Amino acid sequence: EVQLVQSGAEVKKPGESLKISCQASGYSFTSYWIGWVRQMPGKGLEWMGIIYPGDSDGTYNPSFRGQVTISADKSVSTAYLQWSSLKASDTAIYYCARHRLSAQDAFDFWGQGTVVTVSS
Amino acid sequence: EIVLTQSPGTLSLSPGERVTLSCRASQSVSNSYLAWYQQKPGQAPRLLIYGASSRATGIPDRFSGSGSGTDFTLTISRLEPEDFAVYYCQQYGGSPRTFGQGTKLQIK
Repeated sequence: EVQLVQSGAEVKKPGESLKISCQASGYSFTSYWIGWVRQMPGKGLEWMGIIYPGDSDGTYNPSFRGQVTISADKSVSTAYLQWSSLKASDTAIYYCARHRLSAQDAFDFWGQGTVVTVSS
Repeated sequence: EIVLTQSPGTLSLSPGERVTLSCRASQSVSNSYLAWYQQKPGQAPRLLIYGASSRATGIPDRFSGSGSGTDFTLTISRLEPEDFAVYYCQQYGGSPRTFGQGTKLQIK
C-alpha cells in the first residue's frame, strides 16, 4: 500500500528555520517524482515544486524559488521541504504528493499534510 | 503560466442531482494534461480524474471528466451525500503546474 506520512505540526517564530518531512512507503521511492503543495488558511492549492529522488533532479514554481528548498534522502525514502527564514505568510498546510507516472502527470497519492504556523 | 478559472465558485444542490463543474484555461493545455481533485474539510485532496477523462483507481463511475484545449468539465451524474466537497482542477502540461481556485459543492 502506497503511503506518504508527513511530520507533525510546527509552531515557529518569524526568522526561524524549519525542515518538514514526507516519508514514503509501499513503492519504489526513487522511481517516482514527489511534489509539495501549499494551502494557505481557507485558500486553494498552490504547486510549489517537485523532485525526483532517484537523482535529486527537480524544478520549482518561480513563485517559490529561493524561498524554500526541496530535497530527498533515498536512504530513508523521505522528501523534505525547508525554509531558512520563515515569515508569517508561510503559515499554511503543506502537502507532499506523488506523481502518477512521470513529472508530467497528476498527483495520485497525498500525505496527510503538515500544518505550519509562523507567529511572533 | 497557465491560469485556470473554475466556475461557479459555489454550488448548492441536493443529493441525487446531476452537476457539471467547469474549468477554463488561459491557454491550451497540452495533451489534455488536466486533473480533477476532491477535497473534504480537514483532509488531503484526492485524485478523481487525470488526462481530462480517465478515472483514477477506485473512483466511482458517477464521476466523469471531459474536454480538451482550454475547456474542461467534471460531471457527477447523481450526487451522493459524500460528494459535497471542494473540487479543484489542475493542469500539468505547462510549467509551473497550476490549480484552479476551486468550486465548493454544498448541500442545498
